[in-house]
Amino acid sequence: DSGVTQTPKHLITATGQRVTLRCSPRSGDLSVYWYQQSLDQGLQFLIQYYNGEERAKGNILERFSAQQFPDLHSELNLSSLELGDSALYFCASSVAAGGEQYFGPGTRLTVT
Amino acid sequence: LAKTTQPISMDSYEGQEVNITCSHNNIATNDYITWYQQFPSQGPRFIIQGYKTKVTNEVASLFIPADRKSSTLSLPRVSLSDTAVYYCLVDGAAGNKLTFGGGTRVLVKP
Repeated sequence: DSGVTQTPKHLITATGQRVTLRCSPRSGDLSVYWYQQSLDQGLQFLIQYYNGEERAKGNILERFSAQQFPDLHSELNLSSLELGDSALYFCASSVAAGGEQYFGPGTRLTVT
Repeated sequence: LAKTTQPISMDSYEGQEVNITCSHNNIATNDYITWYQQFPSQGPRFIIQGYKTKVTNEVASLFIPADRKSSTLSLPRVSLSDTAVYYCLVDGAAGNKLTFGGGTRVLVKP
């Protein structure tokens, strides 16, 4: 158990819909990262927050957005969902802006 | 933006040493190199991190040459439970994009 929690574990929704994925970092970690992993693919970095501020942006689509709240939990919002958005979405946290990341168990999103 | 490249797969046998090399030609001065292990349907797990030369911990060693354009993860005496996908990550400490390699699928055979 990494100490990072993600909810929900599974999510099934239809194309065009909007979903919110939630992540609670390890206690004391200030940085949160979001990654997308499609079936049998590698990890694609989406976005990073550090202490409530956006720190780095990866290949995140305009239909996707995220934020980190004052209590340091983070949410990833995915809108106008397409079939190709079906993937595992991982959240990770770290103490500082870089360094060892602790990954959550992931949210499996299925868009039908 | 550092682009990382690593072999797609490699096979080994129990008790052997496995070396996986990651290429990151465009690594920036402040970037660190980190390796993660991932089992199916689980989140990646940290193995080791380094900046230059050699780093060793209880599970692996990481070799980084002086030019830092590549790094090699060394897993000594692998067991069947080391069968997993291994990713190298160039960590943009300066706020650059984090770039994972495509992952190396390691299969350890009995």
